[in-house]
Amino acid sequence: DAMVIQNPRYQVTQFGKPVTLSCSQTLNHNVMYWYQQKSSQAPKLLFHYYDKDFNNEADTPDNFQSRRPNTSFCFLDIRSPGLGDAAMYLCATRVGGTQPQHFGDGTRLSIL
Amino acid sequence: GIQVEQSPPDLILQEGANSTLRCNFSDSVNNLQWFHQNPWGQLINLFYIPSGTKQNGRLSATTVATERYSLLYISSSQTTDSGVYFCAVEPFGTDKLIFGTGTRLQVFP
Repeated sequence: DAMVIQNPRYQVTQFGKPVTLSCSQTLNHNVMYWYQQKSSQAPKLLFHYYDKDFNNEADTPDNFQSRRPNTSFCFLDIRSPGLGDAAMYLCATRVGGTQPQHFGDGTRLSIL
Repeated sequence: GIQVEQSPPDLILQEGANSTLRCNFSDSVNNLQWFHQNPWGQLINLFYIPSGTKQNGRLSATTVATERYSLLYISSSQTTDSGVYFCAVEPFGTDKLIFGTGTRLQVFP
């Protein structure tokens, strides 16, 4: 059974129309991450939560926000998507300490 | 910041061949993972290997932390091995992975 679940697998939105991507986990892990992966590039960290503590990467655009209402769920909000935000968005979790990160299947976002 | 370079960038194999992928990193790390990203974009965790050697079926990996490199060995390659292989490292004092540049592998029958 999938342990890190991302919905939907494919999302299409219009230029400038807010969109929310969701991630849930059954692992009860402390740490949750959001990565952005553009075509033919490596995943790049946007931000992560250690429990409720939010850690934003210095170069993450202000257009990207995140919420973690409880241990199991984490959301990525894109307030005004531009064409350059079309990408695969990957969620990952980790129990903390010296343990591996576990990734969901990703949501592929298209902007019309 | 830490630099993570992978080689070769592209690799084309015939089914049954063996291959070695390399990951070099520029500073000491707390954690290293190898991933396979399949053609559908799913990122599959292959190894968590900050040091030493591990094997899983036809795949094995070795990390020599003191020399700042890791190797991924694929033996008797199959067409389902096609995709992009990433190594990712976690610098000390952080909770985050820095991904390498990737190796794109194509295996033909």
